[in-house]
Amino acid sequence: AQTVTQSQPEMSVQEAETVTLSCTYDTSESDYYLFWYKQPPSRQMILVIRQEAYKQQNATENRFSVNFQKAAKSFSLKISDSQLGDAAMYFCAYRSADQGGSEKLVFGKGTKLTVNP
Amino acid sequence: NAGVTQTPKFQVLKTGQSMTLQCAQDMNHNSMYWYRQDPGMGLRLIYYSASEGTTDKGEVPNGYNVSRLNKREFSLRLESAAPSQTSVYFCASRLGRLNTEAFFGQGTRLTVV
Repeated sequence: AQTVTQSQPEMSVQEAETVTLSCTYDTSESDYYLFWYKQPPSRQMILVIRQEAYKQQNATENRFSVNFQKAAKSFSLKISDSQLGDAAMYFCAYRSADQGGSEKLVFGKGTKLTVNP
Repeated sequence: NAGVTQTPKFQVLKTGQSMTLQCAQDMNHNSMYWYRQDPGMGLRLIYYSASEGTTDKGEVPNGYNVSRLNKREFSLRLESAAPSQTSVYFCASRLGRLNTEAFFGQGTRLTVV
């Protein structure tokens, strides 16, 4: 079974600074997807960024980028120019490649990010 | 588009009571999921339905039952609630093919006293 580990229960960053959230995973599969979700106090799960394992290029979405190291099974999230609205729980998640709908998201335990003004 | 709608948003139950959490999606998705979220535990899969007419256990199915009523609706039932089932419950759906992402409902905060 796949597992996802987030080793930082809490992180803090100063507004406008850069912060990196860590995630490692364990799998024997070669084709899969990785995700970072943001959960603000509203509880809504918001997809921040996704990475396909077969793509070597790291995904980027505006101020959010990932460092995907397939061999090391590492998938970190970098937030640049941090804003107060970035404060939230961040979850790393893994999903197997499409197999007719039985694929499930496997989540890490989350990292609580605080942004200090 | 409403997306994924969960009802109720909040609920307090007494130990031993039963209830059903409702979930409906209007995106014509094939796959639907129920997760629970506990502090320090992330989201854990309770049950899922890969397609209409099928359901399967996830990581933490004990104490729960599900029904995929039709393609739109996927309900989660607690037959005899226990304090250990105090949690936030999320329903999610996904097209189930073509590398599509999952969409989540707003969650239900359930407290069992």
